[in-house]
Formats: sequence, structure tokens, C-alpha cells
Amino acid sequence: KAGVTQTPRYLIKTRGQQVTLSCSPISGHRSVSWYQQTPGQGLQFLFEYFSETQRNKGNFPGRFSGRQFSNSRSEMNVSTLELGDSALYLCASSWSASSYNEQFFGPGTRLTVL
Amino acid sequence: DQQVKQNSPSLSVQEGRISILNCDYTNSMFDYFLWYKKYPAEGPTFLISISSIKDKNEDGRFTVFLNKSAKHLSLHIVPSQPGDSAVYFCAASGSEKLVFGKGMKLTVNP
Repeated sequence: KAGVTQTPRYLIKTRGQQVTLSCSPISGHRSVSWYQQTPGQGLQFLFEYFSETQRNKGNFPGRFSGRQFSNSRSEMNVSTLELGDSALYLCASSWSASSYNEQFFGPGTRLTVL
Repeated sequence: DQQVKQNSPSLSVQEGRISILNCDYTNSMFDYFLWYKKYPAEGPTFLISISSIKDKNEDGRFTVFLNKSAKHLSLHIVPSQPGDSAVYFCAASGSEKLVFGKGMKLTVNP
């Protein structure tokens, strides 16, 4: 069974631009969560989608948004990029919306904002 | 405010010795705890978990201990191997989203 895939793996943008990251969960998994990892803050929860609905949202500004499609694939978008948005963005999938289920992570997208 | 804390950013141990990674939490509603391991350029992978109804869970070289009264859990790796060198994240759940600690870098020296 293929794992969680994220595209692109690396991205370089400039301040003010917007970016869209993509995540394909493990086949059969319907829950997708997004995390931001920075050296100082560890993994911070962005949002979770289940069956195309946002189920939970972390404490990030409205510039961060996401969506999930009917095939469970998910995208996250960051508008008006800031230098501080440089981070590793991780996507994780699980078969249900319960946080008691093990989450399987993708390799991440490394975003650099110049 | 940080609900899951890994207060030591790094730990270095010799191969064959025990590695003890600590984690503290503040939210008494958390009832499920997990440890993830992360290698560079890879996503975190699940290592071991423990429910709040237990105080110990063991899986091979990995054992997680939970002290609910102290709101503390620890991961013991015995014996430590160089391949265990990675960043370890503690995470906690209380039926809503998973909350992760900042991670601890473990280095196991040959």
C-alpha cells in the first residue's frame, strides 16, 4: 500500500506570493491533517479534514486555508507569504477522524520564503 | 500555551545504554499518548502509544511509562542503537486533535 505523498517536496517563494501544497493520503484513509514544523516550535497543528469537511483548526491566521476533495486528497494554501512561513509542512492521514488513530505522515514539503 | 512539553532539546547516549526521553503535559483531559520518531527528510513515524488506563506499554526495545498524577510520560529505549538517532516527538490526545511537543534530538554514539 502506497504511503502518504506530498507535492512538491521543495518550494521557494518570495514574500507576498501565495502557495498551494498537495497531499494524497493512504488509500482508504479519509482523514487528513496538516502540521507546520519549525525548529523552535516543533509540530504545530494547522487543520484537519474529514470527508471534505474541516473538523478542527489550529491557531493560525486566515492566510492559511485548506480543502479536501471527494477522493480524500487535500490541499493547503498560504496566501501573502511571510518570511516566518518558511517551514516543513507535513500532511498526515488516518482512516477515521478520531485522534486516537495512528496518523501516517508524508515526507513533507519544505517551503522557503525569501 | 504549550500543553505538551519536551523540556530537553537533545540527549546523547552510548550504544547499548538506556535512552530515557521525557514528556510532560498540562491538560488533564488527555487520555492517549503517542511517541513518533523522525529522521531528516522524512515524515514522523509512529513508534509506540499508551492509553491513560495503563501505566506501561512495551514493544521490543521500546517502553513507554505513564504517570498520570504527575502528568508525565517517558520513553525508554534499551539497548540504544545508532539507528535510533532521530528526533522524537511526544504527542497527546483527548478525542480532539493531536498535540505535539517540540521534539527531542537523540544521538546514539557507536
